[in-house]
Amino acid sequence: SQKIEQNSEALNIQEGKTATLTCNYTNYSPAYLQWYRQDPGRGPVFLLLIRENEKEKRKERLKVTFDTTLKQSLFHITASQPADSATYLCALETGANNLFFGTGTRLTVIP
Amino acid sequence: GAVVSQHPSRVICKSGTSVKIECRSLDFQATTMFWYRQFPKKSLMLMATSNEGSKATYEQGVEKDKFLINHASLTLSTLTVTSAHPEDSSFYICSGDSVHNEQFFGPGTRLTVL
Repeated sequence: SQKIEQNSEALNIQEGKTATLTCNYTNYSPAYLQWYRQDPGRGPVFLLLIRENEKEKRKERLKVTFDTTLKQSLFHITASQPADSATYLCALETGANNLFFGTGTRLTVIP
Repeated sequence: GAVVSQHPSRVICKSGTSVKIECRSLDFQATTMFWYRQFPKKSLMLMATSNEGSKATYEQGVEKDKFLINHASLTLSTLTVTSAHPEDSSFYICSGDSVHNEQFFGPGTRLTVL
């Protein structure tokens, strides 16, 4: 069965540093992978989508990489701010636009 | 981005009653809507996929007779939890997809069954 692991349940970093979150998956070859942000008690908010033929995608302070050989995606937030504190979820497309979510990494940016 | 609303945002009900949750896409038409369930500190688990005008497709382990889904139009899908029990207490989230494979999520509905 599919399995998605996000490197750690929680990650604390100092403001201004780059946060790097990892998403590893097994037993699947998704056509694309997505990253979402979720705040407590709220639904996820879409951040970035990266396709299997793309190595890297950027959006403002966010950068996502996708290595289909390693079956891994890295999500970077540069110049992190306390407002970036949230849970970040990676999700794999499993066919027909269905998404399979990882358990998330709760990021805390310390002022 | 596109906006999805859910109603109600919170509901508390007695065991054995049924609860209906509405999901609306406000500024786009969602051919497909998805229903997820999220338990505390866990990830979203897809419950079912619904296409407008047709029966929903349920994930393995999700009882279709207990979680009734109706996708009456391109902007409205409803999830009815029938004969709710305390173990059904969870955070229910819907989403609609766009032509660009992005999914737009609603704010979620917190269901508490006493």
